[in-house]
Formats: sequence, C-alpha cells, structure tokens
Amino acid sequence: DAGVIQSPRHEVTEMGQEVTLRCKPISGHDYLFWYRQTMMRGLELLIYFNNNVPIDDSGMPEDRFSAKMPNASFSTLKIQPSEPRDSAVYFCASSLGGLKNTEAFFGQGTRLTVV
Amino acid sequence: AQSVTQPDIHITVSEGASLELRCNYSYGATPYLFWYVQSPGQGLQLLLKYFSGDTLVQGIKGFEAEFKRSQSSFNLRKPSVHWSDAAEYFCAEGSYIPTFGRGTSLIVHP
Repeated sequence: DAGVIQSPRHEVTEMGQEVTLRCKPISGHDYLFWYRQTMMRGLELLIYFNNNVPIDDSGMPEDRFSAKMPNASFSTLKIQPSEPRDSAVYFCASSLGGLKNTEAFFGQGTRLTVV
Repeated sequence: AQSVTQPDIHITVSEGASLELRCNYSYGATPYLFWYVQSPGQGLQLLLKYFSGDTLVQGIKGFEAEFKRSQSSFNLRKPSVHWSDAAEYFCAEGSYIPTFGRGTSLIVHP
C-alpha cells in the first residue's frame, strides 16, 4: 500500500475562497482522522470517522469547516470561506482501530496558506 | 479524558551524546503509548509503541522507550544521537483515538 495520500501538498489561496483538501486512507483502515498543525496550538484533532461515519467533530473550529467521507477510500476537508488564520498544515491519518490497532498512519500533509 | 504532556519544547544535544525526551500521560487504565517523529515538511512516522508486556520497547532508528506506570511516564531514549535525528518528536496516547502531546523539537549540534 502506498500509505495515506493527501492532495494537494501545498495550497495558496486568497481569503474568502473555498479550499478543499483531499485524503485517501490506507485500504482496510476503518478510522480516518483530520488534524491541523500550527506553531501556536500544535497538533489538533479536527474530526474523525469510523466506517465512513463522522463520530466526533468537536474539534472543527467553526461552521466554515466541513468534512465528508463518501466512501472508504476518500475523504475531504473543506473550508468555505477561508481566512488567513486557517493557514496551517493539515494532516490526514488512518488506523485499523480496535484493540491494539490504534496506531495512526499519517499522510504527508497539505500546507495551506491563505493570503 | 486522556492527555499527554511533553514538558520540554526544545532539547539541544551534541552529536554522539545520549538523549532522553520526556512524556507523561494521564489515563486511568493501561494506556497505549506511541512515539512519533516528524522531519521538516513531512508527516509523522511511528518510532515505537507500547501496549502491554515488557516495559522497555525498542523502536526504529535505534530509539527505545520505557513505560513507568508509577511515574505515568513513557520517556524516549537514544544512547548516541546522530545529526539526522534532528526533528520534532511527539508522544501520543491511543487507547481510543490518538491524542498527541505538543511535541519536542530536537536540535543536534555537531
């Protein structure tokens, strides 16, 4: 397996524009996580899915953020409208889940810059 | 709720010196503990993990960590640091979903 694949690797957008980040988890993994990493707040869990169902989105900063997982092999994180304070590195991770299988495998991240 | 604390934001060591990065967890039951490394511009890579059994676990790249229940700690160690070990290190507790510490930045001097 190629691991968790995120696209794009870098995104620069203007304030107010819609941004969509994409993630393909490792095949067979039941859990998918979206994290945001900033210098100020470290690595924050935004939302996670189990079997394509959103379980906990309490980490999503506000209504401008939304995430979907239409099938087991694809997830998106959308920001609309984007703001400069959304600039961060966004990571997608997946895991098998279940007892002793909570190790998370990370993608390489999407570096988002909102100007 | 579980939490993970990494007390040191930055650690500076000389190449060849030994290393210990601290991690404390807060979790009532037996925790599942991980150490990850993040090189610049990269995602997080698993170094090692502890679920149960032997409290001293070996990982990749010559790293090891020791689980000490009495101290609620899971410190990462390496006997001799290489310049390529300079990176950000994250401790995580993952009995349910992964919860990460703030990270420790390792700086290696030649």
